[in-house]
Formats: sequence, C-alpha cells, structure tokens
Amino acid sequence: GESVGLHLPTLSVQEGDNSIINCAYSNSASDYFIWYKQESGKGPQFIIDIRSNMDKRQGQRVTVLLNKTVKHLSLQIAATQPGDSAVYFCAETTSYGKLTFGQGTILTVHP
Amino acid sequence: AAGVIQSPRHLIKEKRETATLKCYPIPRHDTVYWYQQGPGQDPQFLISFYEKMQSDKGSIPDRFSAQQFSDYHSELNMSSLELGDSALYFCASSLGLSGADTQYFGPGTRLTVL
Repeated sequence: GESVGLHLPTLSVQEGDNSIINCAYSNSASDYFIWYKQESGKGPQFIIDIRSNMDKRQGQRVTVLLNKTVKHLSLQIAATQPGDSAVYFCAETTSYGKLTFGQGTILTVHP
Repeated sequence: AAGVIQSPRHLIKEKRETATLKCYPIPRHDTVYWYQQGPGQDPQFLISFYEKMQSDKGSIPDRFSAQQFSDYHSELNMSSLELGDSALYFCASSLGLSGADTQYFGPGTRLTVL
C-alpha cells in the first residue's frame, strides 16, 4: 500500500542553526501533507500542513516544501532551539482524513 | 484552549483480559480517530468516526471494537489482549472529516500487556 517514509532517522544540530527534515512519499493522490512534532511521552503536535496544489508554505520559524515531481516533502526549522528537540513525523491524508505517517526523524538540538 | 482528553493515561493488563480506552474530543469536534504506536514506530491508523458513524477502518484487529457516542466521546474496546497489543494508543479529533481538517492528538494511553 501507499506509504510515507523518511530518509534520515536522526538529525543533530547546534542551537541557532537551521534544520531540514526530509520525507519521501509514494501516494501521488494525497491531498494534504502534514508535519507533526512528538515529544517524549506526548501525543503528536500539529506543526504545519500543505495542500497538494502548493509547493511552499511558511509558518512561524517553519517552512514546508513540497516537490510533487520527485514526491518529496521537507520541513525547515529556522534558528533551531533546544525546545525543538523531538521526533518529527510527516504524514499524508486520504480523502477521509486518516493519516498515514512516515518513519519519524529524531531531532536533537545541542545548546 | 481545551485539548483532547484520554483516559486512563496508563493501563496494565494481563494476557486475555479486556481493556477500554476513552477519548474526549475537543469541544465541537465531530470526528475522532484512533491510532496505535508501537515502541520506536510511527502511529498506525486504527479506526475513525464522524458524527457517531464509523467513517474509515484501518489495521484494527477483530478483537478490537470502537464506537462514538452521542456526546462525541469515543471508546476503544480491546478484548483477548495479547502481548503485542502493548503500545501507545492515541486519539485525535477534528472538526470535519476531510484532509483539510487538522487532527489534534491527545496525550495517549500507554497500554502494557503482561
């Protein structure tokens, strides 16, 4: 079946650096792509989403890029802070909204 | 702002026992999703409800059942528990059923089957 996966399972950065987390997806029919942040022992927290007819969307310190040609999604975090340390999941939605998650990337920010 | 509430937060059961997990969505949210997350894994969709009707079904074992009540809260009933059922169970709610409707997750219930 369709799946969403990540290239890099871990990412370590220094505080203040920019972080880029990547994701590959296989279902070209997906309508929305979403990034979630999950801290230890907590539920996934919505960060930002992007519709399939867009290629870029910006939020507060975060930018999501969508390249439908190569089925690639990325999350850019500007000026990464220690509080950004978490597992980041990309996900895609079907017509009924159920989420199909990717593998997850562990982001560690060093002070 | 009110968030999704799940209870209990932790649950320990023996093999072959039953368990009931509860989810209280954000007020006015009409859609509930259940996900299962094994250790070091991504959340896997189990089942969803919209306006008290099942809207979609994923990889949910036949031993599990769920429903959404008139007040929109949902319960996941798990019977004949197996060791492999040990996982985090998340409930998410949204206002609406489409992919454009953001899903907000609860803190999860950690189920341990001994």
